[in-house]
Amino acid sequence: ETGVTQSPTHLIKTRGQQVTLRCSSQSGHNTVSWYQQALGQGPQFIFQYYREEENGRGNFPPRFSGLQFPNYSSELNVNALELDDSALYLCASSHRGTRPTWQYFGPGTRLTVL
Amino acid sequence: LAKTTQPISMDSYEGQEVNITCSHNNIATNDYITWYQQFPSQGPRFIIQGYKTKVTNEVASLFIPADRKSSTLSLPRVSLSDTAVYYCLVGPNNAGNMLTFGGGTRLMVKP
Repeated sequence: ETGVTQSPTHLIKTRGQQVTLRCSSQSGHNTVSWYQQALGQGPQFIFQYYREEENGRGNFPPRFSGLQFPNYSSELNVNALELDDSALYLCASSHRGTRPTWQYFGPGTRLTVL
Repeated sequence: LAKTTQPISMDSYEGQEVNITCSHNNIATNDYITWYQQFPSQGPRFIIQGYKTKVTNEVASLFIPADRKSSTLSLPRVSLSDTAVYYCLVGPNNAGNMLTFGGGTRLMVKP
């Protein structure tokens, strides 16, 4: 286990709704990254948060937004849900400035949009 | 970021050694090679990371030739529980790095 937790585990929404996914990073980690993984594909980078600010973004529209809190936990918000947003959403934590430098992934949140 | 190419799938049997090769012809001087393992409906798990020559840990070995244009993940004596998707990633060795995943290699271990 990596110590990264995500909630909820599963979620079902309908098109047009909004969703908030949560992530608690591993103790001591100050950087959180979010990834979207469609069925049968590798994870795709959404964005990263460091010191409560967005620090890099992948090719995702503005309706994907996020927050990082002082305790380094994070939220991913998706507005105006579309059917293609159905995926496994992964959160990964890491710590800048120290080793190891790889990212620790949580178990993910499975989002289904109907 | 350097693009990686790896086989889509591989089959093996319990007890065998499995070698998964990844090509990364455009690897940059400051890029490291990192492998992750992913089971269904779980997040990827770090396996091993290296820069050159050979790295070994309790799970796997990573072989990197001198030109660094490819790398080979070696899993000794696989078991059924090693059935998973294995991803090869190339990029800077820092915790703020945006990870770029390809399609990975789906390894099926048979009894």
